[in-house]
Amino acid sequence: GAGVSQTPSNKVTEKGKYVELRCDPISGHTALYWYRQSLGQGPEFLIYFQGTGAADDSGLPNDRFFAVRPEGSVSTLKIQRTERGDSAVYLCASSQTVGYNSPLHFGNGTRLTVT
Amino acid sequence: AQSVTQLDSHVSVSEGTPVLLRCNYSSSYSPSLFWYVQHPNKGLQLLLKYTSAATLVKGINGFEAEFKKSETSFHLTKPSAHMSDAAEYFCVVSDRGNKLVFGAGTILRVKS
Repeated sequence: GAGVSQTPSNKVTEKGKYVELRCDPISGHTALYWYRQSLGQGPEFLIYFQGTGAADDSGLPNDRFFAVRPEGSVSTLKIQRTERGDSAVYLCASSQTVGYNSPLHFGNGTRLTVT
Repeated sequence: AQSVTQLDSHVSVSEGTPVLLRCNYSSSYSPSLFWYVQHPNKGLQLLLKYTSAATLVKGINGFEAEFKKSETSFHLTKPSAHMSDAAEYFCVVSDRGNKLVFGAGTILRVKS
């Protein structure tokens, strides 16, 4: 079946611009996660949703970052006033439920480059 | 807080020889541990997981890992490397079951 889909696969933007990154999870998965992977590092947790609500947003680096999941399915990660340090691969994952017995399924990521 | 340390950033083996990727963890309680693999331009894929059942965990593609509490280790092994195993591998600990904490990754190179 279809996996987690992320669009766009690549995004180049200028410093100071606003960007939106989209994630389509696997159908029926209630939990959705966003991670950020900088060059040469492992993915770092940003936020996760259980249904429509953000259950843990402790990984968002500052108030320029915001994510929504209004209908409990598709999620959008929004970054305002982008900075060069925001350049990274943004990964989305979904799982059937929350907890370590429900494995995460990752998308291929969106590579964001801020010039 | 939970954390993992992958002891090698790069590992190079010849095809047909054993693979050992080392990982040490730090956890204030009984952890859940995972290994994920990332092939170029592909999503992260779960190889195996440990969740306090058997300490020797078997995963996909012939990989296995052993949880050793006394050594706080969770090393990944495979008896015989294949060219298709070349990828980046991440050791991961679960923080309260919902949030995964990734290591920095080990790039495995397999020589023919």
